[in-house]
Amino acid sequence: GNSVTQMEGPVTLSEEAFLTINCTYTATGYPSLFWYVQYPGEGLQLLLKATKADDKGSNKGFEATYRKETTSFHLEKGSVQVSDSAVYFCALSTGANSKLTFGKGITLSVRP
Amino acid sequence: EPEVTQTPSHQVTQMGQEVILRCVPISNHLYFYWYRQILGQKVEFLVSFYNNEISEKSEIFDDQFSVERPDGSNFTLKIRSTKLEDSAMYFCASRGASGRADTQYFGPGTRLTVL
Repeated sequence: GNSVTQMEGPVTLSEEAFLTINCTYTATGYPSLFWYVQYPGEGLQLLLKATKADDKGSNKGFEATYRKETTSFHLEKGSVQVSDSAVYFCALSTGANSKLTFGKGITLSVRP
Repeated sequence: EPEVTQTPSHQVTQMGQEVILRCVPISNHLYFYWYRQILGQKVEFLVSFYNNEISEKSEIFDDQFSVERPDGSNFTLKIRSTKLEDSAMYFCASRGASGRADTQYFGPGTRLTVL
């Protein structure tokens, strides 16, 4: 079956630090890959996505590259802000129904 | 910007009681989903719904669960006889066009507490 593994958290960084959040996956077929973000008190929001190998998704300074050879989709940002504090979920979808399989999520806290 | 809404934001119920969680998907969307997240665990898929019927369901979605789109705008999840282990955050999502990569838009969730 499909699965997504995220690095253990939480992660605490100082403002302007470099961020990497690791995500690896196992899937049958050719999944689409996503990063969702959940700000305090809000629902899940799509941050970025990639649909095929070597695609790079990007949004709000965040990037992730679909690496088929390493089955990874690591999230990076060059300079985090306090407003980036949230929970980040890696996810994949396959099949006609496109149900999402999520990782456990990781809490990022950015201090001024 | 259109958004998915869910009510109530928090539901407290006694074990064995029925609950109905309500969602209003984005109006022109065709595919609807329920997910849940038990505290500290992963977000898990429960069920998908398309063309007025269930298109896929997980092992979690047993006979105690049902979904309905009663009036063309609401999408509901009913739990007939709640158990303590049903306590979780329940998320509704919807998406528009066909295609694997189309984005699912999530609501803010309903926190269900079963006592």
